[in-house]
Amino acid sequence: QQQVKQSPQSLIVQKGGISIINCAYENTAFDYFPWYQQFPGKGPALLIAIRPDVSEKKEGRFTISFNKSAKQFSLHIMDSQPGDSATYFCAASISAGKSTFGDGTTLTVKP
Amino acid sequence: GAVVSQHPSWVICKSGTSVKIECRSLDFQATTMFWYRQFPKQSLMLMATSNEGSKATYEQGVEKDKFLINHASLTLSTLTVTSAHPEDSSFYICSATSFRDYSYNEQFFGPGTRLTVL
Repeated sequence: QQQVKQSPQSLIVQKGGISIINCAYENTAFDYFPWYQQFPGKGPALLIAIRPDVSEKKEGRFTISFNKSAKQFSLHIMDSQPGDSATYFCAASISAGKSTFGDGTTLTVKP
Repeated sequence: GAVVSQHPSWVICKSGTSVKIECRSLDFQATTMFWYRQFPKQSLMLMATSNEGSKATYEQGVEKDKFLINHASLTLSTLTVTSAHPEDSSFYICSATSFRDYSYNEQFFGPGTRLTVL
């Protein structure tokens, strides 16, 4: 049973556009929701994370929107750049426990 | 931010041999380390969780006798793939977290180790 569903599987956006990736979770005990960015042949790097007591968090061009009642959260990348082309993973965890990852979204930003 | 290193970054070995991968937290003490494997164009699959000084907790379906994990200190965990076979070829990634030094859920990932078994 997949606990975190991520969509879309791939996304193509023009430079300067907005990239939106969505995730839905099932376990209401999750209390930490990070997004990771991974380039080919590299380990994931934490991009931004949110806890369920806030509905939005913004860091530079990256924003997480969180909807607790719908059990959904999304990543918005504003002014997308070719350097943002990577695979993005959402995840969810309970306290200090292990994370459950989404299947990933391959983002391509065309110049 | 915190830095996690892995060694080696890539390794090629013959079928039947054992390979050891090291994961080190360079500037913090990791209370917990996680080991993942990732196949091409797939997500990270958690293999095991290890806490310093205690036995690792393996995920369902992961052979503990094949994937030996040792978390000998607060800065070092090792994964040994014993009697490796071609199907063990994958990208192995570790991550580390610290209750004491960082936001309690924040995981810091290593750069990964590419294992190819011939």
